[in-house]
Amino acid sequence: EPEVTQTPSHQVTQMGQEVILRCVPISNHLYFYWYRQILGQKVEFLVSFYNNEISEKSEIFDDQFSVERPDGSNFTLKIRSTKLEDSAMYFCASSEVQGFYGYTFGSGTRLTVV
Amino acid sequence: AQKITQTQPGMFVQEKEAVTLDCTYDTSDPSYGLFWYKQPSSGEMIFLIYQGSYDQQNATEGRYSLNFQKARKSANLVISASQLGDSAMYFCATTPNKLIFGTGTRLQVFP
Repeated sequence: EPEVTQTPSHQVTQMGQEVILRCVPISNHLYFYWYRQILGQKVEFLVSFYNNEISEKSEIFDDQFSVERPDGSNFTLKIRSTKLEDSAMYFCASSEVQGFYGYTFGSGTRLTVV
Repeated sequence: AQKITQTQPGMFVQEKEAVTLDCTYDTSDPSYGLFWYKQPSSGEMIFLIYQGSYDQQNATEGRYSLNFQKARKSANLVISASQLGDSAMYFCATTPNKLIFGTGTRLQVFP
């Protein structure tokens, strides 16, 4: 069964450093998403991406965040200057269409900022 | 904007019994989807079941069924014949575009 692949599974970084989280969505999917889950809390929407541009973003997705699809397969989330409060699990997801069946999540990247 | 409410922070159920996890939603969109995901302690998000707003029948997937009551805006998950491996966090979510999640219910299945 097709799956969304995220790397790395765990990343530790120092406060103020830049991190790039990587995702390979399912190949025929057109919509890509990043979500964040702070430990013990709900899963929060960050950004959606379609046709090589951001289609929607949340208040959390401020200027320190950016997303990119550098080639035909990868989808990345960059955090420019990490803060302690950025420590969370970051999930990538993709879907063939929006609104209906078929949102698939990757297994997540646990980011720890020290 | 969409909103999901899960009022049960934790639930206990005995193995082999059925359990219902509550979910209510709020949306102004006429067309939307309702989803349930399972998150075990390992952290991944596992899709369980989907219900479309125009679906006439309640969705079922093996031991999972979704009790969809559109007028009451509820989309409760029913797990029949609980197993120890069902112990996890369960999240309800809705679209029409991005998924919006509730706060989750931690289910613990005991022998």
